[in-house]
Amino acid sequence: QVRLVESGGGVVQPGRSLRLSCAASGFTFSNYGMHWVRQAPGKGLEWVAVIRNDGSKAYYGDSVTGRFTISRDNSKNTVSLQMNSPRAEDTAVYYCAKDVRQEAAALEQWGQGTLVTVSS
Amino acid sequence: AVQLTQSPASLSASVGDRVTITCRASQGISNSLAWYQQTPGKAPKLLIYDASTLQRGVPSRFSVSRSGTDFTLTINSLQPEDFATFYCHQYNNFPVTFGQGTRLVIK
Repeated sequence: QVRLVESGGGVVQPGRSLRLSCAASGFTFSNYGMHWVRQAPGKGLEWVAVIRNDGSKAYYGDSVTGRFTISRDNSKNTVSLQMNSPRAEDTAVYYCAKDVRQEAAALEQWGQGTLVTVSS
Repeated sequence: AVQLTQSPASLSASVGDRVTITCRASQGISNSLAWYQQTPGKAPKLLIYDASTLQRGVPSRFSVSRSGTDFTLTINSLQPEDFATFYCHQYNNFPVTFGQGTRLVIK
């Protein structure tokens, strides 16, 4: 069955960098778009980024554009999120999610999430 | 960005009731809408995508309707496991956006 396991969360100081990873299994990874979605404590869902199945295109939410970068390695079935210059408002649980299609559609499967806390 | 406005923000109901949740888009989004259910401490679960396609394994008591840019999720005969927060999500335009959520609690 589909399994998504995030890692890399923790406490990071404002302005430093953090890299999140998501290991995927149970499906043909290279056929599907992959997303990062976050949820601040007690708040709703906020879409962060998506990368096309072949890695040729990526799109970002307004609040992270220019600071975060999504990437994927189809040979290792992993998707990553490089978080540069994080801010306090980036504190959230970060989920990776599998799309139902190649690029950006519904989010069919989600990982368990990894908590990122931005604090000095 | 396309704004999705869910109503109501919160809803109380009893087991066996029927409830409806509406998601209004600020502009046309074709059929590019999904619904998710989230219980506390868990990841969201996809219920419906492409406005009307029920995800595998989702009970048939979940149904949807649409009128223009208004999308409605109906849950018939509420079961104890249905009490959760529900989110709509549009993927017709970037940036992808979510509604603010509707919390369904037991009366």
